[in-house]
Amino acid sequence: DAKTTQPTSMDCAEGRAANLPCNHSTISGNEYVYWYRQIHSQGPQYIIHGLKNNETNEMASLIITEDRKSSTLILPHATLRDTAVYYCIVRVPIMEYGNKLVFGAGTILRVKS
Amino acid sequence: SAVISQKPSRDICQRGTSLTIQCQVDSQVTMMFWYRQQPGQSLTLIATANQGSEATYESGFVIDKFPISRPNLTFSTLTVSNMSPEDSSIYLCSVGNREGERPYEQYFGPGTRLTVT
Repeated sequence: DAKTTQPTSMDCAEGRAANLPCNHSTISGNEYVYWYRQIHSQGPQYIIHGLKNNETNEMASLIITEDRKSSTLILPHATLRDTAVYYCIVRVPIMEYGNKLVFGAGTILRVKS
Repeated sequence: SAVISQKPSRDICQRGTSLTIQCQVDSQVTMMFWYRQQPGQSLTLIATANQGSEATYESGFVIDKFPISRPNLTFSTLTVSNMSPEDSSIYLCSVGNREGERPYEQYFGPGTRLTVT
């Protein structure tokens, strides 16, 4: 399984872009990068995922380097409600039983007014 | 996106007893998973719930301690047996689809907060 490395915590000013980095230097060619977040006392919430191209949805953008060894999740205009633990996960492909997610420690993002 | 409910949302149980947690999803899904989140920790996968067959357990988790049922494509239960204080955690149900089937993302329930005294 590819391992991910994320900073333990980050602060961001409200209204500014939050850029959360993730290193996954041992990722294999068929593994996707997923981002989830967990707001206090709630279940994790899916944000975005990608394979090699940059991706954008209504919540965030995902920038994956050309060598796929790292990625950055961008929240373009962070709000106080974005304060959460953000998990960068590399999907473990299981041919028979589908996608298994292996969670690391994640990054605690604190958005401050 | 799938809507997932779990029952109970929280419980306080005595050691030596068992608790069964229910997970219900509003649409048919291929995969259902059970995770545990111990206080201050990240999520750990307990097992994959398979419809009509025995669950697939991760290393460190056994069927006798965490029996799982999945009678159909929208419902699963996890039982925490012979509980001890070390079982105090949040237990989360997650649903998704098999590799190659869209959508690829997984959705999580709100969790069941278990305290064992």
